[in-house]
Amino acid sequence: EPEVTQTPSHQVTQMGQEVILRCVPISNHLYFYWYRQILGQKVEFLVSFYNNEISEKSEIFDDQFSVERPDGSNFTLKIRSTKLEDSAMYFCASRAVGTQGEKLFFGSGTQLSVL
Amino acid sequence: GDSVTQMEGPVTLSEEACLTINCTYTATGYPSLFWYVQYPGEGLQLLLKATKADDKGSNKGFEATYRKETTSFHLEKGSVQVSDSAVYFCALSERNTPLVFGKGTRLSVIA
Repeated sequence: EPEVTQTPSHQVTQMGQEVILRCVPISNHLYFYWYRQILGQKVEFLVSFYNNEISEKSEIFDDQFSVERPDGSNFTLKIRSTKLEDSAMYFCASRAVGTQGEKLFFGSGTQLSVL
Repeated sequence: GDSVTQMEGPVTLSEEACLTINCTYTATGYPSLFWYVQYPGEGLQLLLKATKADDKGSNKGFEATYRKETTSFHLEKGSVQVSDSAVYFCALSERNTPLVFGKGTRLSVIA
């Protein structure tokens, strides 16, 4: 069965450093998402991406965050200058055109720890 | 805005015990409701869904009924197995808006 792949599974970084979280969505999917879950809190929507542009973003997704589809297969989330409160599990998801929200396929997540 | 509240975990049960994980929601319209499951080392997977009031979603022995009057979507299973150990997330979506999740409830089933 096709799956969404996220790398790395764990990332440790120093406060103020830039991090890039990588995702390979399912190959025929065109909608992409990032969610995050801070320990003990809800899974929160960050951003959705379609047709090479952001289609929706939450208030969490401020100027420190950016997304990119650099090469037609990867979908990345960049945090420019990490803060302690960015420590969380980050989930990537994708879905095909013509499907609804419940047809999201999620990756297994990247656990980001900011020290 | 829309929100989902689910019972705090962790929940630890013996094999063959009954499971109920409570979930209530707040929404402005008529959302679709979902339960997602995350097994260790894997991504979130859709477990079941219901799209309108009184619908019952079911899969792998799990059930949940969309109760509009109580704004609830409780997850139930009559007899859990060790392989059901996972984190369970209740979620909602209105039309094509992004999924809104609860905090997740960790279930551990011991033999």
